[in-house]
Amino acid sequence: DAMVIQNPRYQVTQFGKPVTLSCSQTLNHNVMYWYQQKSSQAPKLLFHYYDKDFNNEADTPDNFQSRRPNTSFCFLDIRSPGLGDAAMYLCATSRAGQGAVEQYFGPGTRLTVT
Amino acid sequence: SQQGEEDPQALSIQEGENATMNCSYKTSINNLQWYRQNSGRGLVHLILIRSNEREKHSGRLRVTLDTSKKSSSLLITASRAADTASYFCATDKGGAQKLVFGQGTRLTINP
Repeated sequence: DAMVIQNPRYQVTQFGKPVTLSCSQTLNHNVMYWYQQKSSQAPKLLFHYYDKDFNNEADTPDNFQSRRPNTSFCFLDIRSPGLGDAAMYLCATSRAGQGAVEQYFGPGTRLTVT
Repeated sequence: SQQGEEDPQALSIQEGENATMNCSYKTSINNLQWYRQNSGRGLVHLILIRSNEREKHSGRLRVTLDTSKKSSSLLITASRAADTASYFCATDKGGAQKLVFGQGTRLTINP
């Protein structure tokens, strides 16, 4: 089945220790997104790729970076995680369309910062 | 600021009853979408309604859109325990390939 896969599902890192979260998709969608979701809050868009074009949200901290080496894979790098970065990180994909279209989400990676 | 606001924040009903959730937004949209999120999981797309549509159905789901009031509602009929989840509305942002999510409604279906 076509899907969005996130690894790992749970990640524990130490304060200040760089961490990378992974996302892959078999949908062949042009657009890939990274969201941060804190407990009982809405998903907050960090950035997205439209093909190879990177689009950063204005309020995304510099501590968060992303790479998309090919259509299928996208990575979220947190350079120096702080306690406030503990959250669920959601990857999503969509095909390019006229404005926003349906997004397909992975199961998420829950990040704990100790 | 968040594009969508939802109410109620939490809703608890008995199995078999209908559940209605509301979403309001602030600026013009091309479409509005509803998503479900089970606890600790990713979001699942439920339904998309375009700005020129007023009502849309999908199984037990009915979505309405009133662009004059900048509001939408999601009705789940004949609720089941498996409908227990958080429900989010999302609106597109200026025609770009991205969504802004509301705060969500936590729905609990009691057996």
